[in-house]
Amino acid sequence: DQQVKQNSPSLSVQEGRISILNCDYTNSMFDYFLWYKKYPAEGPTFLISISSIKDKNEDGRFTVFLNKSAKHLSLHIVPSQPGDSAVYFCAAATNDYKLSFGAGTTVTVRA
Amino acid sequence: GAGVSQSPSNKVTEKGKDVELRCDPISGHTALYWYRQSLGQGLEFLIYFQGNSAPDKSGLPSDRFSAERTGGSVSTLTIQRTQQEDSAVYLCASSNRGQVNYGYTFGSGTRLTVV
Repeated sequence: DQQVKQNSPSLSVQEGRISILNCDYTNSMFDYFLWYKKYPAEGPTFLISISSIKDKNEDGRFTVFLNKSAKHLSLHIVPSQPGDSAVYFCAAATNDYKLSFGAGTTVTVRA
Repeated sequence: GAGVSQSPSNKVTEKGKDVELRCDPISGHTALYWYRQSLGQGLEFLIYFQGNSAPDKSGLPSDRFSAERTGGSVSTLTIQRTQQEDSAVYLCASSNRGQVNYGYTFGSGTRLTVV
């Protein structure tokens, strides 16, 4: 049962523009939401997280928005850079250790 | 070490053989996790260690899968009588206690191919 869904398998964006990645979830008990970034042949790297008591968290070029009523979160990357080309995974947790992951969105930043 | 180290990086095995995958977590990290990623899928939780004990083994797909951790450090994931559906990238991660909101540190994974 897929509790975390990323419905867009890929996204192409021009360098300097905004990248918006979307994620939907079904479990209303999730406490934390995270985004990971993965380059080929490397493990996922933690990017940013948000607690369920907040609706926005910002870290430099990365902002995560949480809409609990819609069970939806998004990651905004502004401005997009070539080094941002990677697979982005959305993840969620109901406790302090187990993450449920989406299938990932491949982002390609065009020069 | 500086990061989470996994070995081997790639493993091709014949159906029915046993395989062992190794994970060296970041020194001092008490929590260790195994996940796997099958083709086109997200990461799937397998098992969580806190120290040498495994409070949550609920993600292990069958009794062919087992894992142990010794000395609060190195962990081994063993798959017996491998099947083609076991083909995946097996990822290990570690963290300082179980603080998921700060993110784990993942290794580069072991790509297992069962032929």
